[in-house]
Amino acid sequence: EAGVVQSPRYKIIEKKQPVAFWCNPISGHNTLYWYRQNLGQGPELLIRYENEEAVDDSQLPKDRFSAERLKGVDSTLKIQPAELGDSAVYLCASSWGPNRGGDYGYTFGSGTRLTVV
Amino acid sequence: GNSVTQMEGPVTLSEEAFLTINCTYTATGYPSLFWYVQYPGEGLQLLLKATKADDKGSNKGFEATYRKETTSFHLEKGSVQVSDSAVYFCALMDSSYKLIFGSGTRLLVRP
Repeated sequence: EAGVVQSPRYKIIEKKQPVAFWCNPISGHNTLYWYRQNLGQGPELLIRYENEEAVDDSQLPKDRFSAERLKGVDSTLKIQPAELGDSAVYLCASSWGPNRGGDYGYTFGSGTRLTVV
Repeated sequence: GNSVTQMEGPVTLSEEAFLTINCTYTATGYPSLFWYVQYPGEGLQLLLKATKADDKGSNKGFEATYRKETTSFHLEKGSVQVSDSAVYFCALMDSSYKLIFGSGTRLLVRP
């Protein structure tokens, strides 16, 4: 079984430029999460999807961040415009559902390391 | 609010030494508890979990016991290997199914 696939692995952009990250979850996983991991810290949730619905986006900085999950499968996270403080690793994860995530944990992708210069 | 506190690293051990990484949590109710491991350049991998008090999670020689009375979930391994070098994250799942992570503890195992 393929894991959670993210692309790109690395991205370097100048501040004020837009950037997008893509995530393909494990087949059949209806819950998808985007986390941000700052250097030397644990990941923090940005947004959670149940199928195509964003059910928890309270931590997403909505002035510059947006996300979508069309058809309840792949997801894209966008930043526009990027700021220096957005440099971090952006992790995508998926699970069979919120309850199953509680029982079994999530499966994480390898992440996208963003550097804003 | 809910939070997880881990011992600061790095923890440096010689191969075959005993490992303990402390983790305590603050939460309402009885959350599920997890340990994740992150190898260099990779994403987080679930190492073990416990869903209720006194449960012991175990995997690959690692163990952790859910201690409600001390709100702790310390990670232990009897004999570490060089290949165990990684960053270890303790986490809890809150009532809204959000994973809340500690800041991570880097483990370095020397041959």
